[in-house]
Amino acid sequence: NAGVTQTPKFQVLKTGQSMTLQCAQDMNHNSMYWYRQDPGMGLRLIYYSASEGTTDKGEVPNGYNVSRLNKREFSLRLESAAPSQTSVYFCASSEGTVPNTGELFFGEGSRLTVL
Amino acid sequence: TQLLEQSPQFLSIQEGENLTVYCNSSSVFSSLQWYRQEPGEGPVLLVTVVTGGEVKKLKRLTFQFGDARKDSSLHITAAQPGDTGLYLCAGGRTYKYIFGTGTRLKVLA
Repeated sequence: NAGVTQTPKFQVLKTGQSMTLQCAQDMNHNSMYWYRQDPGMGLRLIYYSASEGTTDKGEVPNGYNVSRLNKREFSLRLESAAPSQTSVYFCASSEGTVPNTGELFFGEGSRLTVL
Repeated sequence: TQLLEQSPQFLSIQEGENLTVYCNSSSVFSSLQWYRQEPGEGPVLLVTVVTGGEVKKLKRLTFQFGDARKDSSLHITAAQPGDTGLYLCAGGRTYKYIFGTGTRLKVLA
């Protein structure tokens, strides 16, 4: 049972470089999310996708782009990395019920360092 | 500023003590969830509350949703070292979840 799989688990970038974080879920969930976690800040929502074909900004979208490639996959792209984007990134998925009462399932996280 | 504020931010207690963690907001949520996160892993759901005033018990953990659906509390009775971790509340809104700032709990044997 894979659940939510994120790659890579660790990445070091130089300022200005670009990269894409990949996320895939095998639970046939409608909704997918990208969060970042910084010390003392809990989890902050970057972007979410309520269903295949839709994406929306969360609390901290600046400097990021996303693609909902299909129902399974949701990628997060940093076009020009900055030191402020050093963080642990978590992908999550849920059934996507309305109202939102379903469980969020998380990946193991991707630790990104921007020098 | 975050929509959901948790207190305290850090808590270090002895085994056997009781504790309460608070999650407060000025906004209304359709649901309130509590997650626990271990180092190097993603958060794992503990409970979901959806009705104002609702109380749920999970062994030694008691969760309450405020009457106005803006706040919640987590009470742990007789804490054990296995309760150590980061506790996160999350408010459900249409299609998304907003997380609180987190409470890092350490229970000493």
